[in-house]
Amino acid sequence: NAGVTQTPKFRVLKTGQSMTLLCAQDMNHEYMYWYRQDPGMGLRLIHYSVGEGTTAKGEVPDGYNVSRLKKQNFLLGLESAAPSQTSVYFCASSYSQGNYEQYFGPGTRLTVT
Amino acid sequence: SQQGEEDPQALSIQEGENATMNCSYKTSINNLQWYRQNSGRGLVHLILIRSNEREKHSGRLRVTLDTSKKSSSLLITASRAADTASYFCATDEWGNTPLVFGKGTRLSVIA
Repeated sequence: NAGVTQTPKFRVLKTGQSMTLLCAQDMNHEYMYWYRQDPGMGLRLIHYSVGEGTTAKGEVPDGYNVSRLKKQNFLLGLESAAPSQTSVYFCASSYSQGNYEQYFGPGTRLTVT
Repeated sequence: SQQGEEDPQALSIQEGENATMNCSYKTSINNLQWYRQNSGRGLVHLILIRSNEREKHSGRLRVTLDTSKKSSSLLITASRAADTASYFCATDEWGNTPLVFGKGTRLSVIA
């Protein structure tokens, strides 16, 4: 099993450009999450999904959109990238929330110039 | 947000010593989890402790939870250079809420 995979691993964008980050999991998990990690800030939840076709806002959702059209995929979109969105983005999945562990992808390092 | 706060922010020890990291949180929790992150990698789950538990062990890891003090500690015994990583606590509240992560403790184990 591949677990949780993320595409791409690295990306450089210019301010105002758009892009989509793809997360895929092969564990049949209902729950999927997108986090960003900035130096000294830990992980902050951007959006999450509790099942196919559902999405919900996390702690820092502004400037991002998500979609969960298929159970195994969770897409994170930046419509108009800003330098403040320079970060490392992690996707995770879990069977349920709280009392189940989350499985993390390897991360996507995004730089917006 | 009831983000956990780890203490210390950074810790440097010699191989073979024990490492203790603490996590404090603000409100009542359902579960508390500890994760490890090696440099440049995703987080890896270490251990979960429920609010009605006081202590759990997993190999060289020992986690305690004191709900009256709203704090948890992670002890790594007989540390190895491979334990060098950042360690995060994460909590969830009752009612199927997402995990909220702390800012982490950066552990360096010197051979």
